[in-house]
Amino acid sequence: AQKVTQAQTEISVVEKEDVTLDCVYETRDTTYYLFWYKQPPSGELVFLIRRNSFDEQNEISGRYSWNFQKSTSSFNFTITASQVVDSAVYFCALTYTGNQFYFGTGTSLTVIP
Amino acid sequence: EPEVTQTPSHQVTQMGQEVILRCVPISNHLYFYWYRQILGQKVEFLVSFYNNEISEKSEIFDDQFSVERPDGSNFTLKIRSTKLEDSAMYFCAREGLGPTYEQYFGPGTRLTVT
Repeated sequence: AQKVTQAQTEISVVEKEDVTLDCVYETRDTTYYLFWYKQPPSGELVFLIRRNSFDEQNEISGRYSWNFQKSTSSFNFTITASQVVDSAVYFCALTYTGNQFYFGTGTSLTVIP
Repeated sequence: EPEVTQTPSHQVTQMGQEVILRCVPISNHLYFYWYRQILGQKVEFLVSFYNNEISEKSEIFDDQFSVERPDGSNFTLKIRSTKLEDSAMYFCAREGLGPTYEQYFGPGTRLTVT
């Protein structure tokens, strides 16, 4: 069974603070793919990053960074020097078939100016 | 530029009515997906569609739902007899280029069943 858990329902930070969004997953498959999506107040789902199960390299993209650890089944997302525009709901997702995505329940991030 | 467009952006319908939600890909893709998101909840997979056939579907995708690509371009999701609990945002998605597995979502159609 596939499952994605985002234990943090809501997070509030003051602008310029760093924030980490947690994602823990469960899967019996050895090959799988993990994703993060951003859902701003306008409602669309914006792809942020994909990670393969066989590639544990962490990744940095500007103020965003991702920490993938198979040993703890976690794929955490850190925003450095948060900005008001980062306010959104962030979803972690998993697929092993490339078809069905299993989404977590999302973390609502509010960045206070 | 959106990856896919969806029409309508908002649809209000009465319980028991049929609705058709449309998805138009910007460029040629073979894989399409429908997801729904009940307000304030997580995004749930409904169905994937490849080469004019359903390739995978979830438990949510029961006999009330159907998908097709009637003219080789538009990709539609039909709900035959809507229920109040069908009220949700419905997202169409297409696959990424190459074997990357990410999915790119359209802006969604908000369905309200009254």
